[in-house]
Amino acid sequence: SQTIHQWPATLVQPVGSPLSLECTVEGTSNPNLYWYRQAAGRGLQLLFYSVGIGQISSEVPQNLSASRPQDRQFILSSKKLLLSDSGFYLCAWSVGQGREQYFGPGTRLTVT
Amino acid sequence: AQSVAQPEDQVNVAEGNPLTVKCTYSVSGNPYLFWYVQYPNRGLQFLLKYITGDNLVKGSYGFEAEFNKSQTSFHLKKPSALVSDSALYFCAVRSYTGTASKLTFGTGTRLQVTL
Repeated sequence: SQTIHQWPATLVQPVGSPLSLECTVEGTSNPNLYWYRQAAGRGLQLLFYSVGIGQISSEVPQNLSASRPQDRQFILSSKKLLLSDSGFYLCAWSVGQGREQYFGPGTRLTVT
Repeated sequence: AQSVAQPEDQVNVAEGNPLTVKCTYSVSGNPYLFWYVQYPNRGLQFLLKYITGDNLVKGSYGFEAEFNKSQTSFHLKKPSALVSDSALYFCAVRSYTGTASKLTFGTGTRLQVTL
């Protein structure tokens, strides 16, 4: 069966510090991968998606970047965090068209 | 652009009563629609989807959803609510970029089930 992992689960970082969040998927090959941010426990904003190694599409201009160094690994990064980067970050995967996405447990990021 | 709207921020229902969480959609072409549930500080869990076929879709945990093309709605329903159903519910619609599917989510509806 497929599983998706995210770490760390929680993170508190000062403004101006770098960020690296990792997401890995097991039990499937060549998944589409997604990064979302959820603010204030409500709506989800799609940040990035990837259809393959090294292929990243950005949905909104921002202080973040994403990379996919391996088929089942997706990394969200920042060189200098802003207060507005605080939120709940969710990674998701899907396979095929019209298929549902499956979400990881999330990372709670607080920028202080 | 594809979009969904969830008109209710919160729905309150007593345990044992039927529940409905509303969602309307706006799409070009045939809609691919989804419902997800989120418990506090957790990721989203997939409940059900509509792609084609029967207008009544059955999903996990006793939930079902009714697709209504004329009303452009996809309401989530359950015949008998449980306290454990209390959570945040999201409706979503798929868009296809030509290389990948993306989901656009509604703003969420908080369901509160009380004894």
